[in-house]
Amino acid sequence: EAGVAQSPRYKIIEKRQSVAFWCNPISGHATLYWYQQILGQGPKLLIQFQNNGVVDDSQLPKDRFSAERLKGVDSTLKIQPAKLEDSAVYLCASSSSGLAKNIQYFGAGTRLSVL
Amino acid sequence: DAKTTQPTSMDCAEGRAANLPCNHSTISGNEYVYWYRQIHSQGPQYIIHGLKNNETNEMASLIITEDRKSSTLILPHATLRDTAVYYCIVRVHGVKTSYDKVIFGPGTSLSVIP
Repeated sequence: EAGVAQSPRYKIIEKRQSVAFWCNPISGHATLYWYQQILGQGPKLLIQFQNNGVVDDSQLPKDRFSAERLKGVDSTLKIQPAKLEDSAVYLCASSSSGLAKNIQYFGAGTRLSVL
Repeated sequence: DAKTTQPTSMDCAEGRAANLPCNHSTISGNEYVYWYRQIHSQGPQYIIHGLKNNETNEMASLIITEDRKSSTLILPHATLRDTAVYYCIVRVHGVKTSYDKVIFGPGTSLSVIP
């Protein structure tokens, strides 16, 4: 079974530029999550989708971050404009809706450096 | 905020058992304890979870105290590849719907020493 795919693996941008990250979850997984992980900290949930609907975006800085999950499969996370404090690893995870629905499978992440 | 507390770091000799503690004194009756680990430059990986009974799988064992206020993850024969950050998580329910929300704390950094 293919895992969660993310791209790019690394991205370097200057502050005030925009950037987008892509995630392809495990096939059939209804729930998709985006996390932000700052160095030395645990992952922080930014947004959670159930199919193509948002169920939690309470920690998403909506003035600069946006995310979508068209057709309930792939997802993109965008930052516009980026700030220095956005430097972090952005992790995507997915989970199924069956008995194992609370087990999340993570991608390798995208490491963003904002200069 | 995370509902669990863990030691910041631990060392373990290669081949010995690694016992990682977690405190979750405010856990609710329907909340499970989950463990994940994160090896450097990778995403977190699921290890094991449990409600009140001890659990074992091919990766580890989970011991939950009778009052469910704490638990211990046991790696029976630690190898160098077990060096990672280990996260203990209590599953919480969201406000808008009955979905499940995962809140990660800083975890325990385990170093397996040759």
